[in-house]
Amino acid sequence: AQTVTQSQPEMSVQEAETVTLSCTYDTSENNYYLFWYKQPPSRQMILVIRQEAYKQQNATENRFSVNFQKAAKSFSLKISDSQLGDTAMYFCAFMPMNRDDKIIFGKGTRLHILP
Amino acid sequence: DSGVTQTPKHLITATGQRVTLRCSPRSGDLSVYWYQQSLDQGLQFLIQYYNGEERAKGNILERFSAQQFPDLHSELNLSSLELGDSALYFCASSVGAAPWEQYFGPGTRLTVT
Repeated sequence: AQTVTQSQPEMSVQEAETVTLSCTYDTSENNYYLFWYKQPPSRQMILVIRQEAYKQQNATENRFSVNFQKAAKSFSLKISDSQLGDTAMYFCAFMPMNRDDKIIFGKGTRLHILP
Repeated sequence: DSGVTQTPKHLITATGQRVTLRCSPRSGDLSVYWYQQSLDQGLQFLIQYYNGEERAKGNILERFSAQQFPDLHSELNLSSLELGDSALYFCASSVGAAPWEQYFGPGTRLTVT
């Protein structure tokens, strides 16, 4: 069975600093997608960034980038120049590219950006 | 605003009761997904409908059922409610059959007392 592990339940960083959130996953699939979702205090789930496993280049969306290490089954999220609005719960998620393409979420990392 | 709407926002009910949660997907989206977010289980996929048909099933209890109507809105029915069913229930939608880019609604907070 596929699993997604986020080893950091909670983190705090100062505004403008860079922070990295860890995610590892376990799968026997070769083709899959990986995602980071953000859930701010409003509870709305928002897609931050996604990565196709067949792409070697790491995905980037403005201040958000990932470090995808397929062999190590690692998918970390880097937030540069962190802002107060980045305070949220962050979920790493995995989805195999097959007929049974259901998303599996990690338990989440609660990130606090301190002024 | 994702364009996905869910009603009601909050629901408080007693054990043994039955409730219905409603979701309207974004205009043009054919897939609807239901998720349960609880403190101890995290975010779990329940079920997906694509263009009116059930497409994928996750950890959905037999007491729970869902359907997608011809106008593509969906309802999640929860019956014989237990205290452990208290959770945030999300609906999400996507254009295609795979959740490659899904948009989440604001959620329905269910409290079972």
